[in-house]
Amino acid sequence: DTAVSQTPKYLVTQMGNDKSIKCEQNLGHDTMYWYKQDSKKFLKIMFSYNNKELIINETVPNRFSPKSPDKAHLNLHINSLELGDSAVYFCASSLSRGWGNTEAFFGQGTRLTVV
Amino acid sequence: SQQGEEDPQALSIQEGENATMNCSYKTSINNLQWYRQNSGRGLVHLILIRSNEREKHSGRLRVTLDTSKKSSSLLITASRAADTASYFCATDDGNNRLAFGKGNQVVVIP
Repeated sequence: DTAVSQTPKYLVTQMGNDKSIKCEQNLGHDTMYWYKQDSKKFLKIMFSYNNKELIINETVPNRFSPKSPDKAHLNLHINSLELGDSAVYFCASSLSRGWGNTEAFFGQGTRLTVV
Repeated sequence: SQQGEEDPQALSIQEGENATMNCSYKTSINNLQWYRQNSGRGLVHLILIRSNEREKHSGRLRVTLDTSKKSSSLLITASRAADTASYFCATDDGNNRLAFGKGNQVVVIP
């Protein structure tokens, strides 16, 4: 069983469209995250939720809106897509709030290409 | 936010050789973690070293941490073709953020 699963794996869409990426974890973790990896492989945290509560909201355009219906799911909705949104988006989870001594489990990533 | 910065950026070695990567960071940390990313895949946790630890081993991996120099190193001994990947260090500053560096691309030639 996949611990952290994201769908879709690839997403190609036109500028101006709205799209969503879904993430689910079956590890029983309390905390979930969205990271963006650019073309140079630099990873930047976007959002973090702990038990459905938003705890990290980095400087991300308002067009990006996370939603956590329950602690096993964290979806990412993006409005009015722009060319610069093209990247690989990773969902991750950890046992509890604060990295502390816990490791992060990552999904396989969603490669978003805006044309 | 702080970030780990790996050095060097790319490394090409023969199978069986050792690979060493370094990472520097800027502020105090709770722990430092190393991750591996195979091409087209997500990151996989390799090893975590706490701020009060100086060295840690896991199989063929050896990690050192020097908090006075704010640096860490990852050594992979007896490398294998399957070790070909990007390696990232990440720092936990205790503020719910795991800050990643740019990553080292390691290519192990069979």
